[in-house]
Amino acid sequence: GDSVTQTEGLVTLTEGLPVMLNCTYQSTYSPFLFWYVQHLNEAPKLLLKSFTDNKRPEHQGFHATLHKSSSSFHLQKSSAQLSDSALYYCALSEQGTGSKLSFGKGAKLTVSP
Amino acid sequence: AQTIHQWPVAEIKAVGSPLSLGCTIKGKSSPNLYWYWQATGGTLQQLFYSITVGQVESVVQLNLSASRPKDDQFILSTEKLLLSHSGFYLCAWSLGGENERLFFGHGTKLSVL
Repeated sequence: GDSVTQTEGLVTLTEGLPVMLNCTYQSTYSPFLFWYVQHLNEAPKLLLKSFTDNKRPEHQGFHATLHKSSSSFHLQKSSAQLSDSALYYCALSEQGTGSKLSFGKGAKLTVSP
Repeated sequence: AQTIHQWPVAEIKAVGSPLSLGCTIKGKSSPNLYWYWQATGGTLQQLFYSITVGQVESVVQLNLSASRPKDDQFILSTEKLLLSHSGFYLCAWSLGGENERLFFGHGTKLSVL
């Protein structure tokens, strides 16, 4: 079945350093990939989603590139901010099955001064 | 604008007691509706989804049930709570389709003692 793997459980960074959170996936068909962010005491919300035309999605300084050859959709940001501290979930939706979204285990990012 | 409301905000219940959690979506006709469960520090696990009134599909078996009595309402329930039911329950909606984002409610924190 479909699955999403996030290898980092906890990530601690100093403000200003680059961020990279890994996401790899297994899927039978060509899936759509998403990054959701959940700040403390808030609901998860969409950060980025993959495009069908290979464009690189960007939002709030974050970007991610879907690499079908390596089945990856890593999240990156050039310079971490204190406000980026949150839980980040990579998620997968398989084409033709809009009713099921599979989430990775999540990565807790803590940015310190 | 669409709004999603979950109730209650938090519950403390005894093992073996019944449970009913609710979710209402306003401002959107015939959305796809979802229930997710998040254990403390854990990932988002999809429990149920519903594409239309009266139809609910189960994704995982956790001794819970769900119903969609109205187009804008989604109910999660059980007659007998287990300790393992503790966690955070999130309701979400989407327009449907594999590339559509999920909009989450603020969730219900359930503690089973």
